[in-house]
Amino acid sequence: AQTVTQSQPEMSVQEAETVTLSCTYDTSESNYYLFWYKQPPSRQMILVIRQEAYKQQNATENRFSVNFQKAAKSFSLKISDSQLGDTAMYFCAFMKAGANSKLTFGKGITLSVRP
Amino acid sequence: GAVVSQHPSWVICKSGTSVKIECRSLDFQATTMFWYRQFPKQSLMLMATSNEGSKATYEQGVEKDKFLINHASLTLSTLTVTSAHPEDSSFYICSAFGLAGDPWETQYFGPGTRLLVL
Repeated sequence: AQTVTQSQPEMSVQEAETVTLSCTYDTSESNYYLFWYKQPPSRQMILVIRQEAYKQQNATENRFSVNFQKAAKSFSLKISDSQLGDTAMYFCAFMKAGANSKLTFGKGITLSVRP
Repeated sequence: GAVVSQHPSWVICKSGTSVKIECRSLDFQATTMFWYRQFPKQSLMLMATSNEGSKATYEQGVEKDKFLINHASLTLSTLTVTSAHPEDSSFYICSAFGLAGDPWETQYFGPGTRLLVL
């Protein structure tokens, strides 16, 4: 079974600053994906970024980037130039590769961006 | 692309009644959809996996006779909460597994349904 751990329940960052959200996971699978999802106050789950385990290059999406350390089973999310709209709950998630696989979520972290 | 809708977004019902929630993939076909339940400030809890044309697979501890799931087509799955009670009040979210979206092999989520049972 897979586990995803987000040990920080809350974080706060000043607007325009950079913040890093931590995530570790445990699995015996060799082929898998890792995700960060954002859930703003509207509660709509939004895909932020996706990483394939077989890729050594870290995924990036505009202001969002990850630090994927496969050996350490670590998958942190860096948000650069934080904006007020980044205020949300962020979930790290694991999914085994293959059609119709389940997602395993971490407990989430609440990020507040201060003006 | 890869848009998932849910209807209704908000429902209030009396204890003992049944409520049906629809989940649709609008611009892609989804052979598999997932149903989650979420309490405030908590993570998503997977309730069941819905497969088109076959019976749903329920997670341990989820009452399949209470939470009926039907995946009638490649774009529609429904969750019916039967004989709802106040403890069933929650936020229900569906997701659809996309094999043709960008990125592929990714779950796309609906906006959720808030259920309040009085």
